[in-house]
Amino acid sequence: NAGVMQNPRHLVRRRGQEARLRCSPMKGHSHVYWYRQLPEEGLKFMVYLQKENIIDESGMPKERFSAEFPKEGPSILRIQQVVRGDSAAYFCASSPTTGGAIEGYTFGSGTRLTVV
Amino acid sequence: KQEVTQIPAALSVPEGENLVLNCSFTDSAIYNLQWFRQDPGKGLTSLLLIQSSQREQTSGRLNASLDKSSGRSTLYIAASQPGDSATYLCALLKAAGNKLTFGGGTRVLVKP
Repeated sequence: NAGVMQNPRHLVRRRGQEARLRCSPMKGHSHVYWYRQLPEEGLKFMVYLQKENIIDESGMPKERFSAEFPKEGPSILRIQQVVRGDSAAYFCASSPTTGGAIEGYTFGSGTRLTVV
Repeated sequence: KQEVTQIPAALSVPEGENLVLNCSFTDSAIYNLQWFRQDPGKGLTSLLLIQSSQREQTSGRLNASLDKSSGRSTLYIAASQPGDSATYLCALLKAAGNKLTFGGGTRVLVKP
C-alpha cells in the first residue's frame, strides 16, 4: 500500500507561470481533498473531489485555481499565473468513505510550491 | 463557524517528561477528531482518531481524550523522547460536511 502519492515534492515557478500538482489517492480510496498550508499558518481546506466530480470547492480561490479528478489518473490541482502569495505547501488527502467519518483521512507528503 | 485552538503554540521539555497538548473547539457538533504529527518539511502522519461517541483512544505511549461538552481534546504523550519532537495538529470533522478544520498546531521540542 503506497499511501497517498503527491508529486512533485518541490516545485519552483516564476511569477506568471502555471503550476500543476498531482495526487494519487490510496488504493481503494475514491475521495480526494486538497489543503493548503501557508507559511506560519495552519492547514486550510481547498476542495473535495470524487471521480469526475467536484463536491465542495468552497475553500478554493475564485480565480486562477482549479482542480479535477478524472476517471483515469491522478487528481490535479492547477494554479494559473502564479504569484508570490501562492508559495505554500499543498497537501492532498484521501478517504475510502464520504467525509472520512469512519477511518479518518490519510495525507500525502505534500508539494512545496515556491514562486520566484 | 468552527474554530479550533491549540495551546500552547510551542512547548519544550526534557526527555522523559510527559507531554500534554491541548485542543479546544467552539462547535460541539463534530463527527470525529483526529490528531496528526507533522515533521519539518514533511507531510501529516495520523496518530489517533476519536469518534464523536468515544471518550478516548490509546496507542502505545499516546492517549487522546475527547470531551465534547467542554469542547476539548487532550493528547498525552508519556515518557517523551527526542524523536517525539514535531508539530502536533488536531483536526475536527463536522457532523455535516467533509472538511477537516485544523488547529494551528503545537510545536514540541524534547531535549535530550
